[in-house]
Amino acid sequence: AQKVTQAQTEISVVEKEDVTLDCVYETRDTTYYLFWYKQPPSGELVFLIRRNSFDEQNEISGRYSWNFQKSTSSFNFTITASQVVDSAVYFCALSEALFSFGNEKLTFGTGTRLTIIP
Amino acid sequence: DTEVTQTPKHLVMGMTNKKSLKCEQHMGHRAMYWYKQKAKKPPELMFVYSYEKLSINESVPSRFSPECPNSSLLNLHLHALQPEDSALYLCASSQPLSSSYEQYFGPGTRLTVT
Repeated sequence: AQKVTQAQTEISVVEKEDVTLDCVYETRDTTYYLFWYKQPPSGELVFLIRRNSFDEQNEISGRYSWNFQKSTSSFNFTITASQVVDSAVYFCALSEALFSFGNEKLTFGTGTRLTIIP
Repeated sequence: DTEVTQTPKHLVMGMTNKKSLKCEQHMGHRAMYWYKQKAKKPPELMFVYSYEKLSINESVPSRFSPECPNSSLLNLHLHALQPEDSALYLCASSQPLSSSYEQYFGPGTRLTVT
């Protein structure tokens, strides 16, 4: 069975500090995809990144960076120089059955609530 | 701006009412999803439509009835709901069998059952 663990339930940091959100996953599939989503108080889930199991390159997008390590089954997310607008719940997710009708079923972690203190 | 829209944003209904949630996407996606999200929990998948056909039903009670009239519209018909059905209902879409198949979510409908 697929499983995603986000051990950090809540994190608070002062604005401009760096913060890392942890994500550990379990799967028996050799081909899988990992995602991060942001959910601000408004409720909408905002897609941030997709990473497939064959691509272990780290990625940087502005203040955001992601560290994918298959050896430890982790896909961590770092925000550099945090801002108040980064306050949200962040979900890590894993997909399965990608090629069944072409749609996917996402297994979400329980989320990490990030609060940036001005 | 999100390209997945949902109406209404908020809905309060009694247990004997019949109501519908609507979702529309303008990205040409052929897979659409309904999720239910309770407070402080992750979204839970309810239904998946792929090419307008129901492909996944996660053992959802029959008081929830999905409908996909065409490739850009998704409805969720509600009847005889219980107070525990109060939640945020999220719609999402994705493009199957493509190089970019992440799911894009709408803003959700916040449902309260009284």
